[in-house]
Amino acid sequence: AQSVTQPDIHITVSEGASLELRCNYSYGATPYLFWYVQSPGQGLQLLLKYFSGDTLVQGIKGFEAEFKRSQSSFNLRKPSVHWSDAAEYFCAVGARSNDYKLSFGAGTTVTVRA
Amino acid sequence: DTAVSQTPKYLVTQMGNDKSIKCEQNLGHDTMYWYKQDSKKFLKIMFSYNNKELIINETVPNRFSPKSPDKAHLNLHINSLELGDSAVYFCASSQDSSGGANEQFFGPGTRLTVL
Repeated sequence: AQSVTQPDIHITVSEGASLELRCNYSYGATPYLFWYVQSPGQGLQLLLKYFSGDTLVQGIKGFEAEFKRSQSSFNLRKPSVHWSDAAEYFCAVGARSNDYKLSFGAGTTVTVRA
Repeated sequence: DTAVSQTPKYLVTQMGNDKSIKCEQNLGHDTMYWYKQDSKKFLKIMFSYNNKELIINETVPNRFSPKSPDKAHLNLHINSLELGDSAVYFCASSQDSSGGANEQFFGPGTRLTVL
């Protein structure tokens, strides 16, 4: 079965600074990888996804993520954060062999300071 | 227009009661899901329906019973509520049952508090 680890529980970053959120997955074959964002009191919104092809994927709100098979990682990045990026970020993995069920990481809380 | 909607947004009830949460999607999707998010924000899938047919049924107490009257609706009924059922419940939908390959659209969540 697949699993996801987000090593950072909480990250604080200054507005305008860069942000990188780590995600490591465990799965034997190529997984389907996702990053979701959850603003306070809201549901989850998809930022980006990776299935195959170019390992650097662009998403909404200026986010990008890079799939590195050798490191089993799918880290999320943003060059310059805005105060509105303060939220909970979830990495998720799905696999055809597991009926495409999504397994979510525990999430990383991002706080943006002025 | 709201893509995936849930009612109610908040639900406070006593232990032992029976309650339902409703979910509707207007995206024309074939597959719908229920997730539970606990107090530590850990998200876990509970059920998935494709065209009104149950396709994923995780290890969930049988006090929880999903019902899909049509492919646009997936309701969650909970019998004999327990303190540990307190959580935020999210409904989601995707275009088809390859939910791991297609984007899942999430509702705003229902915060259930059992006293």
